[in-house]
Amino acid sequence: EDQVTQSPEALRLQEGESSSLNCSYTVSGLRGLFWYRQDPGKGPEFLFTLYSAGEEKEKERLKATLTKKESFLHITAPKPEDSATYLCAVQAGKIIFGKGTRLHILP
Amino acid sequence: GAVVSQHPSWVICKSGTSVKIECRSLDFQATTMFWYRQFPKQSLMLMATSNEGSKATYEQGVEKDKFLINHASLTLSTLTVTSAHPEDSSFYICSAREGNPYQPQHFGDGTRLSIL
Repeated sequence: EDQVTQSPEALRLQEGESSSLNCSYTVSGLRGLFWYRQDPGKGPEFLFTLYSAGEEKEKERLKATLTKKESFLHITAPKPEDSATYLCAVQAGKIIFGKGTRLHILP
Repeated sequence: GAVVSQHPSWVICKSGTSVKIECRSLDFQATTMFWYRQFPKQSLMLMATSNEGSKATYEQGVEKDKFLINHASLTLSTLTVTSAHPEDSSFYICSAREGNPYQPQHFGDGTRLSIL
């Protein structure tokens, strides 16, 4: 059965404290892995698409990487405005979303 | 780019009424549109997928006569919740995708539906 698991469920960091969020997946026929950011009461905002193992994408303080079994979203020197829920989604036959990681950056 | 507009953002109505939610892709042609439901602190639950000019494909357990989806053009999809009841209260989010499944979905800002 296709599955996407994100960890941790929640993460509290001090401003400037770098860390990584994990997205593990087991799917047949990966077409793409997507990272989204979701703020409370809003729809998800697209961040990155990764297609193949070894691929990396960067945007400001965020960097996404992909292996054959998992993806990491690295956050470098985060700021309070980076606080949000980060969702990972995998597109195989259907798209499957993880439950997300709630990230809180303390000033 | 890739902006999706969803209206209304918030609606309150009495039990038994029908509610229509609109989803528009503003700067691209949405070959496929999706409707999701999201419960507090939960992930997105896909309700249905629609392609322009075709009937929507509903996920298992989603009543197609309850949740009517119309994808009449490449920029507009609507979700109508018919004879809404309090258990239909939720956060509904649409998304749109241009082209093939290798492309990302772009989401609207959601509609908070409260049925009294």
